[in-house]
Amino acid sequence: GQQVMQIPQYQHVQEGEDFTTYCNSSTTLSNIQWYKQRPGGHPVFLIQLVKSGEVKKQKRLTFQFGEAKKNSSLHITATQTTDVGTYFCAGPYENTGNQFYFGTGTSLTVIP
Amino acid sequence: GAGVSQSPSNKVTEKGKDVELRCDPISGHTALYWYRQSLGQGLEFLIYFQGNSAPDKSGLPSDRFSAERTGGSVSTLTIQRTQQEDSAVYLCASSLGSGPYEQYFGPGTRLTVT
Repeated sequence: GQQVMQIPQYQHVQEGEDFTTYCNSSTTLSNIQWYKQRPGGHPVFLIQLVKSGEVKKQKRLTFQFGEAKKNSSLHITATQTTDVGTYFCAGPYENTGNQFYFGTGTSLTVIP
Repeated sequence: GAGVSQSPSNKVTEKGKDVELRCDPISGHTALYWYRQSLGQGLEFLIYFQGNSAPDKSGLPSDRFSAERTGGSVSTLTIQRTQQEDSAVYLCASSLGSGPYEQYFGPGTRLTVT
């Protein structure tokens, strides 16, 4: 079963509101990547975090990697309709090879 | 330059038939991944190739699934004796190498088993 969980599964927000998705792994991750998948599209890489406690920003998006490297979050400030899509976290477990575990995803709908 | 390409984009097959799905990674990318995504679900890791090393097949769901990568470039995912539960989008991704590199995804092959 899924070992990288994301909450919430779905989120509807009014345009201009903030949005956060949380990613939780049962096992320590070597690094974490975030991808965005638009409806009908394929995942597109957003960012990668490697260090414990790391925080990175991309314009309105803020990414965090937890101290224990088991959780992560993506926060979007003042959502826009272009933010619509499903956001996935993903990463390999430490010391366990090349399997890339994708989270369950959070589907974001932005209401104009 | 060209991105990751996959063919066919759609495949409808009868239960019990074999199918082959093709992936052309970005030139120079040594790592190649196959994933399966069922409708509305996340991505399920299937197999990983890195250079000339033995592939990591730990995600293949059954022995009906196999994959090869010829000359460190093009990869083919084969599903034998297809079942209805194999219906999904099969995504291929490539990256510069193993480790913390971003993955570039192809458009996927939508497989429907009737």
